[in-house]
Amino acid sequence: GQQLNQSPQSMFIQEGEDVSMNCTSSSIFNTWLWYKQDPGEGPVLLIALYKAGELTSNGRLTAQFGITRKDSFLNISASIPSDVGIYFCAGQPPAGNNRKLIWGLGTSLAVNP
Amino acid sequence: DGGITQSPKYLFRKEGQNVTLSCEQNLNHDAMYWYRQDPGQGLRLIYYSQIVNDFQKGDIAEGYSVSREKKESFPLTVTSAQKNPTAFYLCASSKDNEQFFGPGTRLTVL
Repeated sequence: GQQLNQSPQSMFIQEGEDVSMNCTSSSIFNTWLWYKQDPGEGPVLLIALYKAGELTSNGRLTAQFGITRKDSFLNISASIPSDVGIYFCAGQPPAGNNRKLIWGLGTSLAVNP
Repeated sequence: DGGITQSPKYLFRKEGQNVTLSCEQNLNHDAMYWYRQDPGQGLRLIYYSQIVNDFQKGDIAEGYSVSREKKESFPLTVTSAQKNPTAFYLCASSKDNEQFFGPGTRLTVL
């Protein structure tokens, strides 16, 4: 199936640093979603974006819906050890009436205290 | 407390046996989904259902079956035809585009 290009694949940073990751696609999306998955658990929705150019924050997290509708970015400011996990992006394409999401392969984040 | 439950958390089966994974939600969501996740991999869609008594194959449906007899429940059966069933299985539900996940079931086939 179709997949989003998510980068970087992994990051190892020092506590307190800012983090940036992104997802890109060759086709447009109506919705961008960002999830975090802790080891052995289900993904948890962090931020949902519905409009091109939209910038939304959730605490130290900020995500943007790219103006071209083909990309999205997630930034984490002042990272802390509990930010460790895998971050997934997902997009909802405009075609069709089903609710299938297209997923990235994830960015694995490690934080050194 | 609204949410999605999956049981059991860990499941062990012998090769050649069918096994059914449970997924229940009390969020009143119409749509439900089953994903498979392998180590270091993303989420791959197995089956999804947009409404009771209806479901569609996802990207990797071979060797799996589902039913949707009630809005709250979407059980997944891993059949003996699935060549490599050991994986982490995630169930999700959605009302609109936002999918909400259960805690997952880790299936190990010995």
